Amino acid sequence: GAGVSQSPSNKVTEKGKDVELRCDPISGHTALYWYRQRLGQGLEFLIYFQGNSAPDKSGLPSDRFSAERTGESVSTLTIQRTQQEDSAVYLCASSLSDPAYEQYFGPGTRLTVT
Amino acid sequence: AQSVAQPEDQVNVAEGNPLTVKCTYSVSGNPYLFWYVQYPNRGLQFLLKYITGDNLVKGSYGFEAEFNKSQTSFHLKKPSALVSDSALYFCAVRDGTGGFKTIFGAGTRLFVKA
Repeated sequence: GAGVSQSPSNKVTEKGKDVELRCDPISGHTALYWYRQRLGQGLEFLIYFQGNSAPDKSGLPSDRFSAERTGESVSTLTIQRTQQEDSAVYLCASSLSDPAYEQYFGPGTRLTVT
Repeated sequence: AQSVAQPEDQVNVAEGNPLTVKCTYSVSGNPYLFWYVQYPNRGLQFLLKYITGDNLVKGSYGFEAEFNKSQTSFHLKKPSALVSDSALYFCAVRDGTGGFKTIFGAGTRLFVKA
């Protein structure tokens, strides 16, 4: 079946512009996660959505970052007024509706802020 | 708060030798522990997990990991390394009290030399 997909695969933007990153989870996966991976570093938790519960936004680094999810499908991560330190790979993952289940990752969006 | 430590940035082993990639964790409740692997130019893939039960868990590609509650460790092992095992390995933890928030370690790069 189809895996997690993300678009665009690459995004180059100028400092100060807004960007939107999209994630399509695996069908039937109620949990969806966003992570940031800076070059040569580990995954930094940003936010997760689970069903109809309020999202856990505790990892969002500033109020320039926000995310939405439509029901149990597509999610968008928005970064406003981008800064050079936002340059990273943004990874999306999804999983079934129990914390015991593993996550399935998308290929990521590489964001470069010039 | 959850945390994960992977004390080694890099592990070098010769092909055919056993390998160990170390991971220690901290959670307030019972831990759900995961290992993921990131091959060059490929997405993150799930390897194995510990949720409950037998402390020794087996996963994909001949990997296994041992949960040690007293040492709060979950080290990844393989009896005989292959060159194709060369990749970036991430340990991850969830607090088993029900949350989906997942904290990843910084990653350990494994080099297997022929």
